[in-house]
Amino acid sequence: ETGVTQSPTHLIKTRGQQVTLRCSSQSGHNTVSWYQQALGQGPQFIFQYYREEENGRGNFPPRFSGLQFPNYSSELNVNALELDDSALYLCASSFGGSGNTEAFFGQGTRLTVV
Amino acid sequence: GQSLEQPSEVTAVEGAIVQINCTYQTSGFYGLSWYQQHDGGAPTFLSYNGLDGLEETGRFSSFLSRSDSYGYLLLQELQMKDSASYFCAVLNTDKLIFGTGTRLQVFP
Repeated sequence: ETGVTQSPTHLIKTRGQQVTLRCSSQSGHNTVSWYQQALGQGPQFIFQYYREEENGRGNFPPRFSGLQFPNYSSELNVNALELDDSALYLCASSFGGSGNTEAFFGQGTRLTVV
Repeated sequence: GQSLEQPSEVTAVEGAIVQINCTYQTSGFYGLSWYQQHDGGAPTFLSYNGLDGLEETGRFSSFLSRSDSYGYLLLQELQMKDSASYFCAVLNTDKLIFGTGTRLQVFP
């Protein structure tokens, strides 16, 4: 167990809807990164939050957005869901922002878009 | 572009030694990490190489050659519980760039 918790664990949404995924980081960690993992693929970096500010973004459209709260928990929001958004969404917590060498992942949220 | 290449699948028997190679081409590089992921589970950190050479952690070792853009994960004394997917990942400033993963199957 890493101490990183994500909710919900599974979710089914309809194309065009909006979804919010949540992540509680490990105690003492101030950085949260979000990844999308399609079946049979490696995780793809969406964005990172460090001390409530976005600190880097991957190649994802603006309909993927996020927040980090003062307690360092985080949300990932996806608008106008598409079928290709079906994936496992992973949250990773770490300490220190850029250059931290070990990330602790949550169990993920399995999103299915129908 | 950015890419990490690793074999898609490796099989071995209990007690054997397996090496999973990773070659990378990325625009930025801090170091190379390795993560293990069991089916339905979260990726878990195994090792990190920031400098050239070998890092040893119990049954697992990892190697990096920055000049060759190459690294490997060595798993010794394989156990059934080592059956999982293994990902190399380049640490690039704020993010991890993952390879597509190597599925390791350990047979009795």
